[in-house]
Amino acid sequence: EAQVTQNPRYLITVTGKKLTVTCSQNMNHEYMSWYRQDPGLGLRQIYYSMNVEVTDKGDVPEGYKVSRKEKRNFPLILESPSPNQTSLYFCASSTGMQNNEQFFGPGTRLTVL
Amino acid sequence: KQEVTQIPAALSVPEGENLVLNCSFTDSAIYNLQWFRQDPGKGLTSLLLIQSSQREQTSGRLNASLDKSSGRSTLYIAASQPGDSATYLCAVSLSYNTDKLIFGTGTRLQVFP
Repeated sequence: EAQVTQNPRYLITVTGKKLTVTCSQNMNHEYMSWYRQDPGLGLRQIYYSMNVEVTDKGDVPEGYKVSRKEKRNFPLILESPSPNQTSLYFCASSTGMQNNEQFFGPGTRLTVL
Repeated sequence: KQEVTQIPAALSVPEGENLVLNCSFTDSAIYNLQWFRQDPGKGLTSLLLIQSSQREQTSGRLNASLDKSSGRSTLYIAASQPGDSATYLCAVSLSYNTDKLIFGTGTRLQVFP
């Protein structure tokens, strides 16, 4: 089944404790990205990657890192989480070609205390 | 800067009604527009994607239209059912960065029996 998977789905952590949210897609998509969703603000792009070893900042990149060492994986890293990073996070992928329908993962709900 | 607005923010209708959800965007230089459905605690499911050269797309009881020049899209749901209850999001991709999505804040729909 074609899908985008994220782990963990739920995470409660404390300020400053490094964490990684994994994202994997099995559709051989070139393009992957991370969004965060906050009430009243909608979904905003954090980082994106157009291919292996090619990443760039989205609209709200502060406090986040990403890497794209393999085509299928695009982990989101919070080196020193803070309470304002409490949010619902989504990973997405697409072909990067003309009919670039986006496919989203199930989301990771992160709470930083 | 592209901004996407969805009206109304919430809608409650009885089962069987036909309804229209609205999406407007400020910059007509879009590559495509996508409608998503989001269920509580779940990810985003793509419903319809309209390329900028198209006027509408249909899938079952759903019909989405696009008027790029006026910066508007509508999602028409025919014969609504309780199972249609969800939040509906529209998102546009930019002509110069076709895989980045700019989201509206959504319309929360409740269909009651």
